[in-house]
Order: sequence, then C-alpha cells, then structure tokens
Amino acid sequence: DAKTTQPTSMDCAEGRAANLPCNHSTISGNEYVYWYRQIHSQGPQYIIHGLKNNETNEMASLIITEDRKSSTLILPHATLRDTAVYYCIVRVLSFQGTGANNLFFGTGTRLTVIP
Amino acid sequence: ETGVTQTPRHLVMGMTNKKSLKCEQHLGHNAMYWYKQSAKKPLELMFVYSLEERVENNSVPSRFSPECPNSSHLFLHLHTLQPEDSALYLCASSHRTGGSLGSGANVLTFGAGSRLTVL
Repeated sequence: DAKTTQPTSMDCAEGRAANLPCNHSTISGNEYVYWYRQIHSQGPQYIIHGLKNNETNEMASLIITEDRKSSTLILPHATLRDTAVYYCIVRVLSFQGTGANNLFFGTGTRLTVIP
Repeated sequence: ETGVTQTPRHLVMGMTNKKSLKCEQHLGHNAMYWYKQSAKKPLELMFVYSLEERVENNSVPSRFSPECPNSSHLFLHLHTLQPEDSALYLCASSHRTGGSLGSGANVLTFGAGSRLTVL
C-alpha cells in the first residue's frame, strides 16, 4: 500500500506547464511528500519534497493543499526530456536506530510530452 | 551523472554463472540500498546498509549476497540465478536521518541501474 493515488498517464504539450496530481488522504502530520521521476530504463531521479509549505527548485514546484491530503507537482515548461514516469511517495519505512529509510514507490504517472 | 555509479550497466549470465554488481557513491552518504525493478512492477527494496552494517534483508533469496566493505561501495554477488531474476537492479544512497518516522526528510540518490538478463 503506497498510500498515494496518481493518474496512470497524462499528456502535456511541449512548452506548456505539466501539472501532476497526487492524492494522499491518509498522510500523517510528520510525513513528507516526495516526488521522483524515472526516465525509461534509468534510475529514479529525485525532483522535490515538502512537508507543509509549497516548495520550488530549479526542476519543479510542489503545491501541497492546506489539509495536506493532496499535492500537485508542476513542471513549468515541459520539454520532451521530461517524458518519464513520475512517482509521488509518502510512505516511508524507517529502520529504527539506523538512520536509513525505504521509500515505497507505487506505479506512478506516465507523463508524455508531445511536440 | 548522479554521484552514484553502477557497473556493469548490462549483464547477461547463465544460471550457473557467478557474477557481481558494483555500486560506488561519491556523495559522502552513509546508507546504501539495493532495489530490484522487474518489468511493469514497482521498485522492491532488497537490502539496506547503514554505516556498513546490514539493517534490512527484505526476504531476498540467498542466491543474492550483498557486501558493503565501506560506506562508499556496495556489491551484489549473484550465483545460480533463475530467469525470473532478470530485472533492473538499482543502487541508491542517502544520508542517515534521525531514524524515526518523519523526523527528517530522506532523499535517496539512485544510480543508473544494472540491467541483468539470466538465460
């Protein structure tokens, strides 16, 4: 149980903003929201994470609703290289006392950027 | 280049062969992970090392044997594999966090993966 719900696939026109939604209605107060993406046959790439406030970095923006039950990843100007599977992750398993954590990847959203 | 390097990128082996996958990170991280990604399945955690000590073995068959000689290197030794073991094997690393759920964000950096085919 990945604790998140994402659409299976989305299309976005090149140059337009890509808005990828994620529902995480059972999130607890101290759980972060992480976004990763995986381009075909490569390792997942970290994009951004947040707890309560909206976040922005050079790759994307993360908008988290006030009740924290959903979030949206925004790629402001999608390019063909942004075609990938995007994972929204909430569930984290901590190995107590070790400082290591496992992120549970679900099936994600396959984003296709169309020329 | 993410700072986590995996070799080889592609490996084809027979069921009786012995081979090893190597992972090296230059990020100063002290936790390292092996994940398996089979076709059309989510990533599955296999092993976790924190400060070179194995802290998780996620019910992985003994034909997979991990080794972590130091905090920068991680190996996955393979022997007598089965065709269903064919998959993308991913190494990741991270800083150790506070250790309790949600006490700090935990960002994993992944390598590009080793694509394994067992004939």
